[in-house]
Amino acid sequence: DIQMTQSPSSLSASVGDRVSITCRASQGIRNDLGWYQQKPGKAPKRLIYAASSLQSGVPSRFTGSGSGTEFTLTISSLQPEDFATYYCLQHNAYPWTFGQGTKVEIE
Amino acid sequence: QVQLQQWGAGLLKPSETLSLTCAVYGGSFNSYYWTWIRQPPGKGLEWVGEISQSGSTIYNPSLKSRVTISVEKAKNTLSLRLTSVTAADTAVYYCARLVVGATSDYWGQGTLVTVSS
Repeated sequence: DIQMTQSPSSLSASVGDRVSITCRASQGIRNDLGWYQQKPGKAPKRLIYAASSLQSGVPSRFTGSGSGTEFTLTISSLQPEDFATYYCLQHNAYPWTFGQGTKVEIE
Repeated sequence: QVQLQQWGAGLLKPSETLSLTCAVYGGSFNSYYWTWIRQPPGKGLEWVGEISQSGSTIYNPSLKSRVTISVEKAKNTLSLRLTSVTAADTAVYYCARLVVGATSDYWGQGTLVTVSS
């Protein structure tokens, strides 16, 4: 299985801050990666597909970058509604695997 | 608008069989792969498996031979069956239409299944 190592596991930040979350794959996965946001009690919602493409309807403050084994999700200016848990998902090889998640909390 | 609505037994005893169904409303059921994902309480997401338009399936090896995903095209439903459950199978189970490209993902509302004696 491809292991996705996500960091940090949690972070505290303030509204307006720039935050970045990283996922590292245990082997190269090209750009076969998506980023998801999950709020408590809700299903995940995809923000980014193909590592760097913004899902329709998602605010432009979310950007994804990377290819191969290292990927980053950046929120340029954190908004109150962005406090949530974020996951990466690789779909390069079966079984698809998620990162462990990053909980973004209010500082 | 595509909607996924899922249901099934929420409380099982160890060794029993988990059975969930997910109905898909809207969109073209036969044009997509359909996926099950689970999430233990307070923990991360785990991909359980998927079924293609042709009915071929791929499962997470971690579930070995206990899992079966099937579809009933006439009813636009997909199902998950997991045998010999243990407490480790306690989780919220989601059905989903995951698409790797620009087309939107769609998820069910999630069903909490608790395994307890």
